[in-house]
Amino acid sequence: DAKTTQPPSMDCAEGRAANLPCNHSTISGNEYVYWYRQIHSQGPQYIIHGLKNNETNEMASLIITEDRKSSTLILPHATLRDTAVYYCIVRRLMDSNYQLIWGAGTKLIIKP
Amino acid sequence: DGGITQSPKYLFRKEGQNVTLSCEQNLNHDAMYWYRQDPGQGLRLIYYSQIVNDFQKGDIAEGYSVSREKKESFPLTVTSAQKNPTAFYLCASSPWTGGDQPQHFGDGTRLSIL
Repeated sequence: DAKTTQPPSMDCAEGRAANLPCNHSTISGNEYVYWYRQIHSQGPQYIIHGLKNNETNEMASLIITEDRKSSTLILPHATLRDTAVYYCIVRRLMDSNYQLIWGAGTKLIIKP
Repeated sequence: DGGITQSPKYLFRKEGQNVTLSCEQNLNHDAMYWYRQDPGQGLRLIYYSQIVNDFQKGDIAEGYSVSREKKESFPLTVTSAQKNPTAFYLCASSPWTGGDQPQHFGDGTRLSIL
């Protein structure tokens, strides 16, 4: 099973880019990397996912290294509402079905 | 608006009592999931269902039961056999369990013991 490693917490100034790293050194070739975030006492919110190419959507950008052993989620202009726990997740194949493997995530605090 | 509705938001259980958490989705998704989250930790999979009348155990199924009689509904029962039920319970759905489509989550039910 692929696992992910994330720093437990990070700070970022409001208006600056927040760069959240994730290590997934044991990821296999056909596994996607997903990013979710969870604001306190709410359900996780999907942000972005990718396989090997960099991805961008209206919320964030995902940069995946060429060897796919790590990735970085970029929030280009962080706001106070971006304060949340951010989860970097890979999947595992269980009984012919893909399941998400959740770690403890990174608590991102955006400071005014 | 399409989405996932979990109810109630807060639930209290007495010792020895079974309680049922509701999860309804109007996304027309085939797959549905139940997760448990303890403070400061990530989510752990309890049960999942790929299709109506079918479900499989996840990593921590002991003390829980589910049913999937309708595509849009996937209720979770926390039985008296679950000795540490206090947690945040999250329901999710996805188009199916294969492919790369992300799971979408409800806003959770917080269960506490009286």
